[in-house]
Amino acid sequence: AQSVAQPEDQVNVAEGNPLTVKCTYSVSGNPYLFWYVQYPNRGLQFLLKYITGDNLVKGSYGFEAEFNKSQTSFHLKKPSALVSDSALYFCAVRGRISGNTPLVFGKGTRLSVIA
Amino acid sequence: GAVVSQHPSWVICKSGTSVKIECRSLDFQATTMFWYRQFPKQSLMLMATSNEGSKATYEQGVEKDKFLINHASLTLSTLTVTSAHPEDSSFYICSARGSLTGELFFGEGSRLTVL
Repeated sequence: AQSVAQPEDQVNVAEGNPLTVKCTYSVSGNPYLFWYVQYPNRGLQFLLKYITGDNLVKGSYGFEAEFNKSQTSFHLKKPSALVSDSALYFCAVRGRISGNTPLVFGKGTRLSVIA
Repeated sequence: GAVVSQHPSWVICKSGTSVKIECRSLDFQATTMFWYRQFPKQSLMLMATSNEGSKATYEQGVEKDKFLINHASLTLSTLTVTSAHPEDSSFYICSARGSLTGELFFGEGSRLTVL
């Protein structure tokens, strides 16, 4: 079975500081990994994904994530946080079983960037 | 990029009535759509997988007679909450997988409030 763990409910960071939102996963075989951001009362916006290749993935809005197979992690990072980055972040995974395999989401981490 | 549209964004209804939520892929064909439900401050829980031209596949614990899903065309899936009750109040999000890239796109979500 697939699962995703986001160990932190809330992450607080000062504007301009680097941020990290943690994610670990469990899946049979090689994973597809995703990060999404959700603003209040909105749907999910895609940030980035790892399919194969370079372990460091760069995405939208200056975010990046590093795939670490040995630690089964896919932490989201940004070198310098902005107040506008404050939102709910979801890590998601699906196994490469078939095209109809749905995404399994973590519980979400609320990021608060303080000016 | 590909767009998935949900309608309505907000709906308030009386207990016992039925509500239909539409999910459309605007510029691509989606043979598969997924319906998720999100409770306040919680993650997205997969409700069902909607396949064009066939019956939806429901997740364990989701009542198929309560949450009717129809995927009549390659660009439209509908979720009908039948005989809605206050406990059905939630944020419902659909997603669609593009047939060419396999990318998963999300709608903006529909907030249902049952009085």
